[in-house]
Amino acid sequence: DIQMTQSPSSLSASVGDSVTITCRASQSITNYLNWYQQKPGKAPNLLIYAASSLQSGVPSRFSGSGSGTDFTLTISSLQPEDFATYYCQQSYSTPLFGQGTKLEIK
Amino acid sequence: QVQLQESGPGLVKPSGTLSLTCAVSGDSISSSNWWSWVRQPPGAGLEWIGEIYHDGSTNYNSSLKSRVTISVDKSKKQFSLKLYYVTAADTAVYYCARKGYYGSRSYYNWGQGTQVTVSS
Repeated sequence: DIQMTQSPSSLSASVGDSVTITCRASQSITNYLNWYQQKPGKAPNLLIYAASSLQSGVPSRFSGSGSGTDFTLTISSLQPEDFATYYCQQSYSTPLFGQGTKLEIK
Repeated sequence: QVQLQESGPGLVKPSGTLSLTCAVSGDSISSSNWWSWVRQPPGAGLEWIGEIYHDGSTNYNSSLKSRVTISVDKSKKQFSLKLYYVTAADTAVYYCARKGYYGSRSYYNWGQGTQVTVSS
């Protein structure tokens, strides 16, 4: 099975900062990689699909990149509503999510 | 826009059966999408449970396969999850989800989730 390793597990930042979250697959998944945002008590919400495509309605400060085994989610100019937990998910084979990154206010 | 709504008991006894249903609106359950269940234990990450197609084809997480059945009822526009012989480790928020596609790349649309606690 393909394993997904997401890092860091937690991250502190301030409003206006730029942050990057990394997801690594144990084998190539080309660009079969999604990113979700989850707020407490809510379902995950799709941000990025196919590694770098922005879901409709998602602010342009969110961006994704990568292919093969290494992927990143970048949030530029953090806004208060961006403090949440982020998950990567590979859709190349049996669906598997990363462990999550909790983004907290510094 | 697809809407998904989970329903079912919030409390299940150990060794019992967890049964949940997901009502689908805003999309045909016979569309070219897979219908899925994902769970999230307290304070933990997301675990895919399995999925079903409208023709009844299923795929399951290998770690749960021996205890899981997912079924679909097209006439009622819903699909269901049964998890047998539950333990406290099955306590989680359970989400139903639609696996949609942009070309060949899939993604999930989610229901709001329902909390299920396994306790006597």
